[in-house]
Amino acid sequence: AQSVTQLGSHVSVSEGALVLLRCNYSSSVPPYLFWYVQYPNQGLQLLLKYTSAATLVKGINGFEAEFKKSETSFHLTKPSAHMSDAAEYFCAVSEGQGAQKLVFGQGTRLTINP
Amino acid sequence: DAGVIQSPRHEVTEMGQEVTLRCKPISGHNSLFWYRQTMMRGLELLIYFNNNVPIDDSGMPEDRFSAKMPNASFSTLKIQPSEPRDSAVYFCASSIPGKRGETQYFGPGTRLLVL
Repeated sequence: AQSVTQLGSHVSVSEGALVLLRCNYSSSVPPYLFWYVQYPNQGLQLLLKYTSAATLVKGINGFEAEFKKSETSFHLTKPSAHMSDAAEYFCAVSEGQGAQKLVFGQGTRLTINP
Repeated sequence: DAGVIQSPRHEVTEMGQEVTLRCKPISGHNSLFWYRQTMMRGLELLIYFNNNVPIDDSGMPEDRFSAKMPNASFSTLKIQPSEPRDSAVYFCASSIPGKRGETQYFGPGTRLLVL
């Protein structure tokens, strides 16, 4: 079964600094990988996804992620953090029939310091 | 265009009571998913439907939980009887089926507290 590990349950960066959220996956088949963001008291919103096309994926709000098969990683980055980026971020891998089931990591809470 | 709609947004009930959570997927989305989010276990898939048919319910905790999708625009998740350990945020999500890796769109969630 597929699984996802997010390194660091809390990450804190200064406004304007680089954001790096780490995600490693385990999959026996070519994976489909996702990053979702959750703002307080809201549902999850898709940031970006990898579906076996380009390995560097650009998403909304200036985020991007790079699929590295050799490292089984899909880390999320943003060159310059903004206060509005403060939220919880989830990495997920899809599995099962039709790759419809999402298996989520434990989440990383991102705090932005002024 | 309306997103996934869930009701109620908040529910407080007493142990032993029946709880029914409701979801209206995005129009045209034929796949529907129910997730549970807790601090201890994170986000877990409970069950999902394609074209109103349950495909995988392996995540349903026990017989106290049941889910139905009587038509393409409505689904319910029922807990009977409820227990304090069922306290969580329950999310519904929908997507267009058929293509691998299709995006799931999440509702705002129902925050359930069982006393």
